[in-house]
Amino acid sequence: EIVMTQSPATLSVSPGERATLSCRASQSVSSNLAWYQQKPGQAPRLLIYGASTRATGIPARFSGSGSGTEFILTISSLQSEDFAVYYCQQYNYWYTFGQGTKLEIK
Amino acid sequence: QVQLVESGGGLVKPGGSLRLSCAASGFTFSDHYMTWVRQAPGKGLEWVSYISSTSHSKQYADSVKGRFTISRDNAKDSLYLQMNSLRAEDTAVYYCARDGRSSSTCYSDWGQGALVTVSS
Repeated sequence: EIVMTQSPATLSVSPGERATLSCRASQSVSSNLAWYQQKPGQAPRLLIYGASTRATGIPARFSGSGSGTEFILTISSLQSEDFAVYYCQQYNYWYTFGQGTKLEIK
Repeated sequence: QVQLVESGGGLVKPGGSLRLSCAASGFTFSDHYMTWVRQAPGKGLEWVSYISSTSHSKQYADSVKGRFTISRDNAKDSLYLQMNSLRAEDTAVYYCARDGRSSSTCYSDWGQGALVTVSS
């Protein structure tokens, strides 16, 4: 099983600042990596697929990068609605999620 | 717009059965793979199962293999998950999700989830 490890577990950032979230795979997943946002009581929402392609309707302040085993989700200027839990998911070999990064208001 | 609505969740005793349904609208259901993902209370996301657009291909997580069965009815735009021999560790919110067209990849749309509680 490919293990996905996200860091940090919790990230405290002020509105308007940049947030950088990391995701590491235990073996290469090529660019078969997605990012999701989940708010309390809601279903996850797809943000990024193919490691760097924004899903339909996702604002340009969200960007993804990386390939192989190291991936980054960057939110360039945090808005109040961006504070949530973020998950990465690999779909290169079966399907596994990271444990999540909680993005909270500083 | 895409809508996925799960139903059938509830409280069931260990060893019992439950069948989840997911009604799809707003897209051509028969064009897409479909997937079930679950989330235990306060925990992360876990892939459960997928089914291809024609039902030709089905796969399951090891944790549910032999106990859960995924199916679909393209005439009714509906996805199902039959869950047997339920265990306490199956307690979770179960989400149905729209998957890729030619293979199972990532999930562009999700339902609101159905809570399954396994407890005596």
